[in-house]
Amino acid sequence: QKEVEQNSGPLSVPEGAIASLNCTYSDRGSQSFFWYRQYSGKSPELIMSIYSNGDKEDGRFTAQLNKASQYVSLLIRDSQPSDSATYLCAVRAGTGGFKTIFGAGTRLFVKA
Amino acid sequence: KAGVTQTPRYLIKTRGQQVTLSCSPISGHRSVSWYQQTPGQGLQFLFEYFSETQRNKGNFPGRFSGRQFSNSRSEMNVSTLELGDSALYLCASSFYGQGLQETQYFGPGTRLLVL
Repeated sequence: QKEVEQNSGPLSVPEGAIASLNCTYSDRGSQSFFWYRQYSGKSPELIMSIYSNGDKEDGRFTAQLNKASQYVSLLIRDSQPSDSATYLCAVRAGTGGFKTIFGAGTRLFVKA
Repeated sequence: KAGVTQTPRYLIKTRGQQVTLSCSPISGHRSVSWYQQTPGQGLQFLFEYFSETQRNKGNFPGRFSGRQFSNSRSEMNVSTLELGDSALYLCASSFYGQGLQETQYFGPGTRLLVL
């Protein structure tokens, strides 16, 4: 079992729709969760971080965390073609010297 | 503030050679982490340095090494290059290191091609 799992996609949504990206993790001791966006040929850039159960909203982005289910998600409302990218889920474990583990990423396509 | 910088941006080497990549963190950041990104394996953690000390290491062979200088700049070295070392090497900096709520900021990466 991979430590951080994401559906590789591609996920295709029409412009203006809600894109839902999901991530599960295996280490129950994990305490910090991050979503990065990576455009093709570029480096990852942070979109959201979340540390406690529930929802966290920032503009069109909402991160949701459920530690009991070991599940974290990212919702993108009013999706735009410029949101087309690979979204990486990253989990920082509470054990093992605080190492950040990245999922393989979900490719998102927003169709105009 | 200037972001994380990495040099060189692109590099072509042949098998058996060695390579050194450089990373300058954001001013004031004392921690530098290195990652390898390949299409097949995704982003994999190589190592993390803080105040010139390696604090954490990923599951990579000993051919991969690094160091950090007193000004927080970091270098990573790969010896005896193999074809499978072709990848995007990313450096990320943060203030203290991989603290639970600390954000890492990535540099543009060095794309290494091994022929």
